Amino acid sequence: GQQVMQIPQYQHVQEGEDFTTYCNSSTTLSNIQWYKQRPGGHPVFLIQLVKSGEVKKQKRLTFQFGEAKKNSSLHITATQTTDVGTYFCAGLGSNDYKLSFGAGTTVTVRA
Amino acid sequence: DTGVSQDPRHKITKRGQNVTFRCDPISEHNRLYWYRQTLGQGPEFLTYFQNEAQLEKSRLLSDRFSAERPKGSFSTLEIQRTEQGDSAMYLCASSLLPLGGDTGELFFGEGSRLTVL
Repeated sequence: GQQVMQIPQYQHVQEGEDFTTYCNSSTTLSNIQWYKQRPGGHPVFLIQLVKSGEVKKQKRLTFQFGEAKKNSSLHITATQTTDVGTYFCAGLGSNDYKLSFGAGTTVTVRA
Repeated sequence: DTGVSQDPRHKITKRGQNVTFRCDPISEHNRLYWYRQTLGQGPEFLTYFQNEAQLEKSRLLSDRFSAERPKGSFSTLEIQRTEQGDSAMYLCASSLLPLGGDTGELFFGEGSRLTVL
């Protein structure tokens, strides 16, 4: 099955700054989903990307799916303390039932 | 609360004992997944049900693990002869439609944390 890698593993951000986290798959994906897990919580769905080159925005969050459908990125602008948590990308392979999750990027914010 | 519920939330057991976790998915969701998560890692797929049929089981899952979904509603995950390496958060998730469909995202429960002494 596919392997999904995420970098960086940790992101320490000054409040108000921007950052990007990256996700790479070993195989071409049918779609990719992003989840956020707050400390002590469970993963919560953020967004799904399906089309090659697709870009979606949610307020300060911008998600992108690569042209080859093997990589994705999440860019957060003007980071706030509410952005603290771990962001996971999860890929769905063709003819697959399950999402394969990356190890996540854990974000901490300095006020 | 109409979300995914899991029970128990915490379980501490001694090595060699059997444990069982229960998951109640969102009522109209016919797809149910079990994942395992350890500290610093993403959820790792264990098994998947569509209604009562178990359609896929991870090769990483040893024979000590078994899951059922007898009536296509709630599911149980049993671990026999627990080992310290089984210590993890066991997450259940459900979805309404196939992943990748318009509403094919996973809704996770709060998880059942297992500690094997």
